[in-house]
Amino acid sequence: VQLVQSGAEVKRPGASVKVSCKASGYDFISLYMHWVRQAPGRGLEWMGLINPNGGMTTYARKFQGRVTLTRDTSTSTVYMEVRSLRSEDTATYFCARGGSIYGDNSDEYYQFWGQGTLLTVSS
Amino acid sequence: VMTQTPASLSVSPGESATLSCRASEAVSSNLAWYQQKPGQSPRLLIYGASSRATGIPDRFRGSGSGTEFTLTITSLQSEDFAVYFCQQYINWPYTFGQGTKLEIK
Repeated sequence: VQLVQSGAEVKRPGASVKVSCKASGYDFISLYMHWVRQAPGRGLEWMGLINPNGGMTTYARKFQGRVTLTRDTSTSTVYMEVRSLRSEDTATYFCARGGSIYGDNSDEYYQFWGQGTLLTVSS
Repeated sequence: VMTQTPASLSVSPGESATLSCRASEAVSSNLAWYQQKPGQSPRLLIYGASSRATGIPDRFRGSGSGTEFTLTITSLQSEDFAVYFCQQYINWPYTFGQGTKLEIK
């Protein structure tokens, strides 16, 4: 199993960014994909998840309306777009493989993580 | 809300460390522990409150259910000094604790 994320980004306040997470080594559409971010020197913050089979999404309230998760099943890739960037969005963003879309949430822990994508928002 | 205590802990190699995680609402056994070192992605240690992930040595032990959880690390090795996070995965949003930094004494 591998989750490979796109490279570091530098954006101006107010801009948008789209980060990718390409999955391999497992049945992409059968497992949720989650996104977690970490501001410099801070803890982990859960952002949301996507069901790759159909594209259903759930977001933390803090990110609703400003973050969009999408997927491309032909390339086993999940995308996270953040709009209206502000300095507080400066962080490392991780994708993490969740549990089965067919089960309950008892397996929704993260055995596999992407390597992280550093986003810097600065004028 | 997940609350971890202490925020930091200094322990000598070879000794044991006990890290705590408290949930504001019951999360059953849907509790995971992760280890993170600087510049790295988090690493899963424990899931289901007490099950060790693949390849995790048995000096890592998780316990608890409901709202009170503990991660115990015995015979601390140099590679164990890191930041540890708990996470509940019973209800969205899947919140993390703020972390406990385990430092060498």
